[in-house]
Amino acid sequence: NAGVTQTPKFQVLKTGQSMTLQCAQDMNHEYMSWYRQDPGMGLRLIHYSVGAGITDQGEVPNGYNVSRSTTEDFPLRLLSAAPSQTSVYFCASSSTGRNNEQFFGPGTRLTVL
Amino acid sequence: QQQVKQSPQSLIVQKGGISIINCAYENTAFDYFPWYQQFPGKGPALLIAIRPDVSEKKEGRFTISFNKSAKQFSLHIMDSQPGDSATYFCAVPSKGSTLGRLYFGRGTQLTVWP
Repeated sequence: NAGVTQTPKFQVLKTGQSMTLQCAQDMNHEYMSWYRQDPGMGLRLIHYSVGAGITDQGEVPNGYNVSRSTTEDFPLRLLSAAPSQTSVYFCASSSTGRNNEQFFGPGTRLTVL
Repeated sequence: QQQVKQSPQSLIVQKGGISIINCAYENTAFDYFPWYQQFPGKGPALLIAIRPDVSEKKEGRFTISFNKSAKQFSLHIMDSQPGDSATYFCAVPSKGSTLGRLYFGRGTQLTVWP
């Protein structure tokens, strides 16, 4: 099993550009989520999904969109990148009922100039 | 919404010493309370978790102490080793309609000197 994979590993954008961060898992987990990690701020939830076709907002959803068309994939879209979105982004997955054990991907380091 | 306060922000310990990281939360929660460990350049990984009806759980050199009435729990690392140097996050589960969410503390950067 590859676990949770994320692409790209690094990305530099200019303000106003859009892009999609990819996340995939091969553990048949129902629950998937996106976090951003900023120095001294811990992990903040952006969006999450409890299954295909079902998504909801987390703590910091503004400027981001998600969709969940399959169990495996949960892409995160930045609509119009801003310097405040410079961060490290982590995707995570877990099985329903065991959400204390979330499996994290390796992260995407995004810089917005 | 769950407020989670983690302390200290950073911790320096001599090899062989005890590392203690504390976490406090506001709202009652009913699921497991986990600690995550993160090495530089990697994603966090589950280290140890405790059920809310248990006061202590030990796995090797790592122990969680849980005080449900005070809404606090802590991570103790006995005989700390340089390989334990990492960032540690506590997490608190939600309840109700947002069941399944985890609220993370801001992290503690642990450095163990050889």
